[in-house]
Amino acid sequence: QSVLTQPPSVSAAPGQKVTISCSGGSSNIGNNYVSWYQQLPGTAPKLLIYDNNKRPSRIPDRFSGSKSGTSATLGITGLQTGDEADYYCGTWDSSLSAVIFGGGTKLTVL
Amino acid sequence: EVQLVQSGAEVKKPGATVKISCKVSGSTFSDHYIHWVQQAPGKGLEWVGLIDPEDGEGRYAEKFQGRVTLSADTSIHTAYMELTSLTSEDTAVYYCATANDILTDPWFDPWGQGTLVTVSS
Repeated sequence: QSVLTQPPSVSAAPGQKVTISCSGGSSNIGNNYVSWYQQLPGTAPKLLIYDNNKRPSRIPDRFSGSKSGTSATLGITGLQTGDEADYYCGTWDSSLSAVIFGGGTKLTVL
Repeated sequence: EVQLVQSGAEVKKPGATVKISCKVSGSTFSDHYIHWVQQAPGKGLEWVGLIDPEDGEGRYAEKFQGRVTLSADTSIHTAYMELTSLTSEDTAVYYCATANDILTDPWFDPWGQGTLVTVSS
């Protein structure tokens, strides 16, 4: 059972938009930065978003991040079949003194 | 461009010890923490711990405390993860990743390619 809660799966059609939520508490998301990772099948995770809403330069602006209170959200617009992957949120938990991840969300582009 | 290259797959018997390496190139080795993350088959990501190559200090997740040792050799820009008393539950892919040196703002970029550790009798 992960400290951060993500929906197990989401789906949408190509070209559409999808959001993935990540819910936590005051010891983690509420007072620390959130990052998001994409893991394509059989590959290592890749950073998509850091510091809640910043994108590395190589990441297209179809990907966005936001945070409100103890929840964070990853948004993906203009969905492509190549976006099918597992997506993870991560942050620091001040009570556990540990990095924590959400359980992951599998995105299917129908 | 920063790159992390990990050592190859390992097969170990229960009770054994495994040591995985992670070589960093393209950056100043001591400038970044190196984190390790476990991913069991079909499961999510779980943080193992981190090493500060500058002073060799490690921090460990409670689950792995006492069984894992993280280290770094600055002369060859390589970090190591040693896991002892292996059981079948340690069967997983282990990733190393670099992160900024702000403990409470850990974002991992880039990641190594992963090392599969299989524990089987």
